[in-house]
Amino acid sequence: DAKTTQPTSMDCAEGRAANLPCNHSTISGNEYVYWYRQIHSQGPQYIIHGLKNNETNEMASLIITEDRKSSTLILPHATLRDTAVYYCIVRVSPSNDYKLSFGAGTTVTVRA
Amino acid sequence: DADVTQTPRNRITKTGKRIMLECSQTKGHDRMYWYRQDPGLGLRLIYYSFDVKDINKGEISDGYSVSRQAQAKFSLSLESAIPNQTALYFCATSDFGTNYGYTFGSGTRLTVV
Repeated sequence: DAKTTQPTSMDCAEGRAANLPCNHSTISGNEYVYWYRQIHSQGPQYIIHGLKNNETNEMASLIITEDRKSSTLILPHATLRDTAVYYCIVRVSPSNDYKLSFGAGTTVTVRA
Repeated sequence: DADVTQTPRNRITKTGKRIMLECSQTKGHDRMYWYRQDPGLGLRLIYYSFDVKDINKGEISDGYSVSRQAQAKFSLSLESAIPNQTALYFCATSDFGTNYGYTFGSGTRLTVV
């Protein structure tokens, strides 16, 4: 799986959009970009994934650059409950690779 | 009900005791995993199973065993618990046929004293 680089931490004001960047300059053509988050001591939670096109679901939007070397997760209206560690992962899907590798992620703190 | 249910949520046990952590899922996924999480070390894979008759060691399987009793059930056992197995344990599932990532349980916080 390609390596990803994320900022260590970021703050966001409640009600504002949170834009979380991720660099994946070595991504392969068949690798997807996945985002997960982990709220303190809870199980990681799948947020969204994409291959080339921008994606949106009820939780977030994912913007992938045209060269696919970076992406941005957007939480449109951050709430205090969005405070969590956010992980960007790139991997082939479907995959026989059993191991899901989370890096250090970005610790997002949403402030009132 | 949660898609992936882990029991117990919290457990304190003594060194040398055998303990079982249980995981059940209603996702209908064929693949199940056990991970442990320690502060600063991220998630580490203990065992995984791609179907009922398939069991595979992960990166830190020593001191652990698993049983896939059915497609929906995957249990993790610590044969003789030791203090450095104190950690947060997560069960997860995935479906090879879809792209929709992994589904994790809420975790079991295990303390070995």
